[in-house]
Amino acid sequence: DVKVTQSSRYLVKRTGEKVFLECVQDMDHENMFWYRQDPGLGLRLIYFSYDVKMKEKGDIPEGYSVSREKKERFSLILESASTNQTSMYLCASKRFPSGNTIYFGEGSWLTVV
Amino acid sequence: RKEVEQDPGPFNVPEGATVAFNCTYSNSASQSFFWYRQDCRKEPKLLMSVYSSGNEDGRFTAQLNRASQYISLLIRDSKLSDSATYLCVVNSQISGAGSYQLTFGKGTKLSVIP
Repeated sequence: DVKVTQSSRYLVKRTGEKVFLECVQDMDHENMFWYRQDPGLGLRLIYFSYDVKMKEKGDIPEGYSVSREKKERFSLILESASTNQTSMYLCASKRFPSGNTIYFGEGSWLTVV
Repeated sequence: RKEVEQDPGPFNVPEGATVAFNCTYSNSASQSFFWYRQDCRKEPKLLMSVYSSGNEDGRFTAQLNRASQYISLLIRDSKLSDSATYLCVVNSQISGAGSYQLTFGKGTKLSVIP
């Protein structure tokens, strides 16, 4: 059974803190993604990666960075958390180049106070 | 123009009703299409792919109209458990990059009422 695991499900952080969101997939997928989802705005792509050490900006990369040191792991970093980054963050993976199905993790609910 | 558009709803339908959702996309070079289902506070999960010839999976039927650039999802005999948000997803090749980009609609919310 396919699995995308987001280790932190619920976090509360203070403004200005550095936040790490970790994601691991066990399907040997090349492509990995980070989205955020907000009411009325749908899924918005933050960053994605086609391969180890490779990253591409999505639609809303400002305030975020990512790291992909190993194929199975894709980390999202908020360098200095702000209240407008309170959201649900979804990690996903799929096979390159045209794998049909994208698999999501269960989501990380981040509240920045 | 938004790349993938859906009516946000909510669609409130009684049990047993038939309900249809449409989704339009702007990129005529889009290559594959999907419907995902997302339950409240859960992650999206693949419901079904959408093929040019149309396809059916039990009570669910998906259709693609490339000429008009829209896809549809029909749910027959609605169940309470069908209550969810349905996301339209379009997969398009990124020009020159040899890679593909998934674009999500914002979703249509369905509530099936007893």
